Amino acid sequence: EVQLVESGGGLVQPGGSLRLSCVASGFTFSNHWMSWVRQTPGKGLEWVATIKQDGSEKYFVDSVKGRFTISRDNAENSMHLQMNSLRVDDAARYYCARLILGATDLWGQGTLVTVSS
Amino acid sequence: DIQMTQSPSSVSASVGDRVTITCRASQDINIWSAWYQQKPGKAPKLLISAASSLQTGAPSRFSGSGSGTEFTLTISSLQPEDFATYYCQQAKGFPWTSGQGTKVEIK
Repeated sequence: EVQLVESGGGLVQPGGSLRLSCVASGFTFSNHWMSWVRQTPGKGLEWVATIKQDGSEKYFVDSVKGRFTISRDNAENSMHLQMNSLRVDDAARYYCARLILGATDLWGQGTLVTVSS
Repeated sequence: DIQMTQSPSSVSASVGDRVTITCRASQDINIWSAWYQQKPGKAPKLLISAASSLQTGAPSRFSGSGSGTEFTLTISSLQPEDFATYYCQQAKGFPWTSGQGTKVEIK
């Protein structure tokens, strides 16, 4: 089955860290750009971090630059998002997402990140 | 970052109605737009890519059009399963960005 499964979300205090993970199955992971996309209730979608097939290019939304890092392990069909110095406004559901030309065609079920003291 | 302004924010419609949602980009994005449908508690589902290319499995009552800065999603005859929130997205440059969504509600 073609799927993406996220893990690693949870409750963290402001200033804390979390590491999200995504495991892909059912397709050739190394062929695709991948992203972490977040969504807060009633708001749009935000492509927080994006990584090229071989990891040589990475892009971040301005609000997380210097705090979040994205990585992937094509041998393990996995991707990770290291989130440091978390803020209240980072709280969201984070989706692992597969990119095709100009769109996101496969989404995980999402993992919830709550930032609160 | 490229901004996507979507309208309306909500629309009330009946089964069988034609529904049109519009998205305006803050700069020329050529054809690099996409449309998604999202139902409560679920991940978004891709409907349209490259402005007008219908995703495999998406019903033919959905269509997309536009280029440059103006894009449209049309549902030709609204069905009960189409009541959901719809998002546009630009893919001209990273980070990709989306509109704020249009909630299609039952009239």
